[in-house]
Amino acid sequence: GEDVEQSLFLSVREGDSSVINCTYTDSSSTYLYWYKQEPGAGLQLLTYIFSNMDMKQDQRLTVLLNKKDKHLSLRIADTQTGDSAIYFCAESLSGYSTLTFGKGTMLLVSP
Amino acid sequence: NAGVMQNPRHLVRRRGQEARLRCSPMKGHSHVYWYRQLPEEGLKFMVYLQKENIIDESGMPKERFSAEFPKEGPSILRIQQVVRGDSAAYFCASSPTHPAGGINTGELFFGEGSRLTVL
Repeated sequence: GEDVEQSLFLSVREGDSSVINCTYTDSSSTYLYWYKQEPGAGLQLLTYIFSNMDMKQDQRLTVLLNKKDKHLSLRIADTQTGDSAIYFCAESLSGYSTLTFGKGTMLLVSP
Repeated sequence: NAGVMQNPRHLVRRRGQEARLRCSPMKGHSHVYWYRQLPEEGLKFMVYLQKENIIDESGMPKERFSAEFPKEGPSILRIQQVVRGDSAAYFCASSPTHPAGGINTGELFFGEGSRLTVL
């Protein structure tokens, strides 16, 4: 079955880089996603990566995928206090299947 | 283009009452998903619907929960005879009927959620 695991909490200082890690179990996963949830709000897609890629960069965000180890990471460069939120890793088997989410990593950025 | 609209944002019910949560997908989206977020938990899939059809309800509790997405109007998640364990945030998400560029990346667009509190 599908299972997605994340560390629950990460604390960094403003200006540092943040790295949030995720592992998944289903080797058939085709798409992997990072969503952000701010307090009291819904989830917002940050970025996604296809399983045939090993890296994707989008401004301050870098996603690394190690398919052999089923490990996904999200690096946020120059982390700002506005980046404080819960970050969810998610996977799907295809573009038409439902997403399976991890429990989320709470990122706290201190000034 | 308005996003996914959910209402009510907050709902308080006493045990045994019924809760109805509504979701209007984004314009051009005919796929609706309901997820539940329990305290300290991630999002758990409940049900996936298209207009007038339930496609996947593998995450729905067998009793008291039902969902519909009629031809006209919003999708409704209905919880009968609520219990304290039903207290959670219920998120609706939608995805496009025809993805941009013809490539379906599976991206879901989420509403802000309906927070149910059962007293």
